[in-house]
Amino acid sequence: GEDVEQSLFLSVREGDSSVINCTYTDSSSTYLYWYKQEPGAGLQLLTYIFSNMDMKQDQRLTVLLNKKDKHLSLRIADTQTGDSAIYFCAESSNTGGFKTIFGAGTRLFVKA
Amino acid sequence: NAGVMQNPRHLVRRRGQEARLRCSPMKGHSHVYWYRQLPEEGLKFMVYLQKENIIDESGMPKERFSAEFPKEGPSILRIQQVVRGDSAAYFCASSPAGPRDTQYFGPGTRLTVL
Repeated sequence: GEDVEQSLFLSVREGDSSVINCTYTDSSSTYLYWYKQEPGAGLQLLTYIFSNMDMKQDQRLTVLLNKKDKHLSLRIADTQTGDSAIYFCAESSNTGGFKTIFGAGTRLFVKA
Repeated sequence: NAGVMQNPRHLVRRRGQEARLRCSPMKGHSHVYWYRQLPEEGLKFMVYLQKENIIDESGMPKERFSAEFPKEGPSILRIQQVVRGDSAAYFCASSPAGPRDTQYFGPGTRLTVL
């Protein structure tokens, strides 16, 4: 079945850029998402990209999509301590009725 | 416009009891999704409902779990005869027009089974 994989941890210093990577297996993925989850909270949609796009920029966030390699990344510029959270990559496609498949999440630690 | 509401936020049950989790979608959203998050894992799809209909329940365990989304009132996820392995965070999401649309998540219900 479809699968989404992410590295589990990332640690950066405040002010540096963070890059969180994700790979997926479903070649028919249509939408790819990045969600943020703070401790004890639900998921907040950060940004999403259509599969026919290579890049999307939104303020400090840059999403890059390499469809050939099925690789998605999220770059956070000028990372702040408030960015410390779990970041989930997710994809949906018309395989199985646009069910959204989530990765296990990357825990971002930002050191002051 | 209030977001997706879930209650209770925390629920403690003893083995064998029933758990009822409620989800009120965002105003104007008629599509609801339930996900389960086990500790240190991502979200796993359970069920997708539209008003009064179950559209896709392929992620739902075959026994003890049921979901509904009545014409009036919140969506309910019901777990009968809970076991320790049911302890997890259960998230509800809603969208205005089906799974092609972006899903907006509630804060989750954290179920602990003693």
